Amino acid sequence: DAMVIQNPRYQVTQFGKPVTLSCSQTLNHNVMYWYQQKSSQAPKLLFHYYDKDFNNEADTPDNFQSRRPNTSFCFLDIRSPGLGDAAMYLCATSRGSVSNQPQHFGDGTRLSIL
Amino acid sequence: AQSVTQLGSHVSVSEGALVLLRCNYSSSVPPYLFWYVQYPNQGLQLLLKYTSAATLVKGINGFEAEFKKSETSFHLTKPSAHMSDAAEYFCAVSDRGGNQFYFGTGTSLTVIP
Repeated sequence: DAMVIQNPRYQVTQFGKPVTLSCSQTLNHNVMYWYQQKSSQAPKLLFHYYDKDFNNEADTPDNFQSRRPNTSFCFLDIRSPGLGDAAMYLCATSRGSVSNQPQHFGDGTRLSIL
Repeated sequence: AQSVTQLGSHVSVSEGALVLLRCNYSSSVPPYLFWYVQYPNQGLQLLLKYTSAATLVKGINGFEAEFKKSETSFHLTKPSAHMSDAAEYFCAVSDRGGNQFYFGTGTSLTVIP
């Protein structure tokens, strides 16, 4: 089945130690998104790629970076994680800029900070 | 900017009872509308979407939603709740011509045996 896969499902890192979360997709969608979701809250968009074009949300901290080496893969890098960065991180994809198309989500990576 | 309001952050229903989860949007131009469900420690799964075809939209797991332009609403319903429906439900809108979703704050559904 075509899908969005996030690895790992659970990630533990130390305060200030860089961490990378990965997302891959077999849907061949050209838009990929990264969301941060804290407990009992809605997903918050961090940034998205439209093909290779990177679009950062205005309030996304500089601590968060992203890479998209090809259509299938996208990475979220947190350079110096703080305790406030503990959250679920969701990757999503969608087809083109056609706004009537839904976003397809992976199962997320739950990040814990020690 | 577009906004989405979900009335009721927590809803409890008895098993077999009607489920009604409310969603209102703010745009004067009808957007595209979506309902997602999220089970614990999982991603969001699409339940249904409205993209300006039929105003009554049927989705998976017996859910449906009705788009009402006059009320700027897109409420989610299910005639008979099942224990497996207990989850978090998010309403989302997408502006026509854009590729960004605006999520509501979510409604946690509890089903009482």
